[in-house]
Amino acid sequence: ETGVTQTPRHLVMGMTNKKSLKCEQHLGHNAMYWYKQSAKKPLELMFVYNFKEQTENNSVPSRFSPECPNSSHLFLHLHTLQPEDSALYLCASSINTGGGWDEQYFGPGTRLTVT
Amino acid sequence: AQKITQTQPGMFVQEKEAVTLDCTYDTSDPSYGLFWYKQPSSGEMIFLIYQGSYDQQNATEGRYSLNFQKARKSANLVISASQLGDSAMYFCAMRNAGNMLTFGGGTRLMVKP
Repeated sequence: ETGVTQTPRHLVMGMTNKKSLKCEQHLGHNAMYWYKQSAKKPLELMFVYNFKEQTENNSVPSRFSPECPNSSHLFLHLHTLQPEDSALYLCASSINTGGGWDEQYFGPGTRLTVT
Repeated sequence: AQKITQTQPGMFVQEKEAVTLDCTYDTSDPSYGLFWYKQPSSGEMIFLIYQGSYDQQNATEGRYSLNFQKARKSANLVISASQLGDSAMYFCAMRNAGNMLTFGGGTRLMVKP
């Protein structure tokens, strides 16, 4: 496998369910990101991890809980979501979060529908 | 605060012609980077081109070039010789010192045969 992978690609869940999104990068990067892409809104940064430490939480509701056990894996745990949380969730990675320019490589995304 | 504006929600271009996608930005940081990404219907964001705020020359990558006008705070993407496979959403983004990307609303490009 190469690049950034995300599973599942599609997820439908009820508002009372608990589910997790998984992201894995095979690029040897140290920084990982979660983005939310809703219809008719710009891509929004949610969380940033650098060397497994969370460095950014962009005022995300607590029903979204990230986890970064190592530099290659990033999870987004979901519970008691709302229908407005339906969106494409994109994961990205980069070499690190500081110094010079640093291209972010994106995964294919998880299309989440909350019913 | 940083802001990226893409004023063209949708654009049509004839195959083999050139097209310019507009992007303006606003930032108070003296150092920043500007990116363009392509998002096909499959969802993944594909990096196209990068321009640093201190770069003297406009960036080019194959058929992609970035028309960087710093005084006007614009970073338009030019795609030459459009191909059917270029049909996609295109996003302009700006990076601050912490590598946080701020994205514009995107432009949907449709290439006509």
